[in-house]
Amino acid sequence: EAGVTQSPTHLIKTRGQQATLRCSPISGHTSVYWYQQALGLGLQFLLWYDEGEERNRGNFPPRFSGRQFPNYSSELNVNALELEDSALYLCASSLSGLISYEQYFGPGTRLTVT
Amino acid sequence: KQEVTQIPAALSVPEGENLVLNCSFTDSAIYNLQWFRQDPGKGLTSLLLIQSSQREQTSGRLNASLDKSSGRSTLYIAASQPGDSATYLCAVVTGGFKTIFGAGTRLFVKA
Repeated sequence: EAGVTQSPTHLIKTRGQQATLRCSPISGHTSVYWYQQALGLGLQFLLWYDEGEERNRGNFPPRFSGRQFPNYSSELNVNALELEDSALYLCASSLSGLISYEQYFGPGTRLTVT
Repeated sequence: KQEVTQIPAALSVPEGENLVLNCSFTDSAIYNLQWFRQDPGKGLTSLLLIQSSQREQTSGRLNASLDKSSGRSTLYIAASQPGDSATYLCAVVTGGFKTIFGAGTRLFVKA
């Protein structure tokens, strides 16, 4: 069974540009979660999508947004990039709902903003 | 606001030793707690998930316990091996449906 996949592996952008990160969940999983892991700050919850809808978001500005497609894959968009957006962005998936199910993580996308 | 703390921040042990990693959380209103390991520069690997109604879960050499009322969980690793060297993270799913992670315990097992 294929795990969670993310693309691209690495992404280098300039301050002010937009970045798009993609995530494909495990087959059968309908929930997708996005996290930011910045150096020295630990893992921070960004967004949760389930069945195509945004269910919850963490304490991040509106320039962090995303969507979930009918096949349950998801993309994360970061607009007006700032230097402090440089981080490892991790995607996870689970069966529907946050309450009872394990989250399985992808390998991450390393975003570097210069 | 839920806060998750992991102690110790780093731990170095000789191979074969049994060890305990600690995770504490400030709000007992959680749905579940999950333990992960993370290798440098990599994603997370799920180790154990404990539902709020459960007291412990076991998988191989790993045993995780949960005491919701006191806001504590422990991860017990038996007969540690060099391959266990990684950062161990605990995460809780809060009543507000957010996943909050601790900062992790960096474990080094010496051969």
